[in-house]
Amino acid sequence: DSGVTQTPKHLITATGQRVTLRCSPRSGDLSVYWYQQSLDQGLQFLIQYYNGEERAKGNILERFSAQQFPDLHSELNLSSLELGDSALYFCASSTRRITNTGELFFGEGSRLTVL
Amino acid sequence: TQLLEQSPQFLSIQEGENLTVYCNSSSVFSSLQWYRQEPGEGPVLLVTVVTGGEVKKLKRLTFQFGDARKDSSLHITAAQPGDTGLYLCAGGPLRGTDKLIFGTGTRLQVFP
Repeated sequence: DSGVTQTPKHLITATGQRVTLRCSPRSGDLSVYWYQQSLDQGLQFLIQYYNGEERAKGNILERFSAQQFPDLHSELNLSSLELGDSALYFCASSTRRITNTGELFFGEGSRLTVL
Repeated sequence: TQLLEQSPQFLSIQEGENLTVYCNSSSVFSSLQWYRQEPGEGPVLLVTVVTGGEVKKLKRLTFQFGDARKDSSLHITAAQPGDTGLYLCAGGPLRGTDKLIFGTGTRLQVFP
């Protein structure tokens, strides 16, 4: 158990819909990262927050947005869903702002299926 | 743009064989991490290397960071079925960012 909690674990929805994925980081971790993993491939970096502020952005679509709340949990909002958005979405947390030698602790992921 | 390329993409071997997985980039990274991911779970950190030329050993696993800090390798000696999984290298942070970029992944299957 990494200490990172993601909900829901599975989500099936239709094209055009909107979903929200939730992540609770490990106790004490200020950084939250979101990654997308398609078809058992590598992880695509989406976005990172540190203590409520956006710190880094990857290839995140304009239809996607995220935020980190004062209690440090984070939400990833996916809207106008397309079939290609079907993937595993991982949240990870770390203690450090800079992950130079820090470890990322991953949740178990949220599997999104768009029909 | 994928900055970290791993090879091979798939590897299927018998128990007891040795193998090497490569992680290559044209970019310089301040550190390189290796993770292993099992089905239905998130990646778990195996090791972090930070110095060019550094070699770290974790039981039967040997990790090396290239001298120029652009590439890394993972060597497994006498592979066991328990080594089966998706191996991911991750480099970062990129200059001026907090991004940790993951490689394309190597899927390893070790048969008894």
